[in-house]
Amino acid sequence: QQQVKQSPQSLIVQKGGISIINCAYENTAFDYFPWYQQFPGKGPALLIAIRPDVSEKKEGRFTISFNKSAKQFSLHIMDSQPGDSATYFCAASRKTSYDKVIFGPGTSLSVIP
Amino acid sequence: DAGVTQSPTHLIKTRGQQVTLRCSPKSGHDTVSWYQQALGQGPQFIFQYYEEEERQRGNFPDRFSGHQFPNYSSELNVNALLLGDSALYLCASSLAGYNQPQHFGDGTRLSIL
Repeated sequence: QQQVKQSPQSLIVQKGGISIINCAYENTAFDYFPWYQQFPGKGPALLIAIRPDVSEKKEGRFTISFNKSAKQFSLHIMDSQPGDSATYFCAASRKTSYDKVIFGPGTSLSVIP
Repeated sequence: DAGVTQSPTHLIKTRGQQVTLRCSPKSGHDTVSWYQQALGQGPQFIFQYYEEEERQRGNFPDRFSGHQFPNYSSELNVNALLLGDSALYLCASSLAGYNQPQHFGDGTRLSIL
């Protein structure tokens, strides 16, 4: 019930293409869904986040789509660039501010020129 | 404005030894969480500190302990090190409150020989 599933494990996209990463969860108590980007040798950095009362959130080239009934959410990176090459983690946490963030296993994205 | 800083950057220990990792939170943050990230995996929540008390704990043995100081900085202690403790240890800080975003440091890479 605490698990967050993520796919694919790795992804190769051509420059200018759309990168899509999918996540699913079981615990309906989760109500905050952040996405993190991690470059080699660095800690994860918050990219974008969504709450389940919103079906879509867009920030620049990054869009989160959220399907509450299916307990699924996804990250779309439009016009993917080589600089987007990193590992992406979806995550989930509950309403209380002191609850832990549960991370998915990660997707390694490579954007090739 | 300094972000989350962790020390040391790298550390090599042998089995059975003890280790202390340190974290200074982002200015203004009062909550510190620790995560363990094994190679190729997502971060796993260890515990969280607020007002110098452990508020939440993940599925980690008692060999993992921590402390938060009045200036909000924090330490992670691991006793009786095992080979499986080799990982990147990440510290994240946040403000106390509803789903406040966590800001991560770049971690301490711990290698156990």
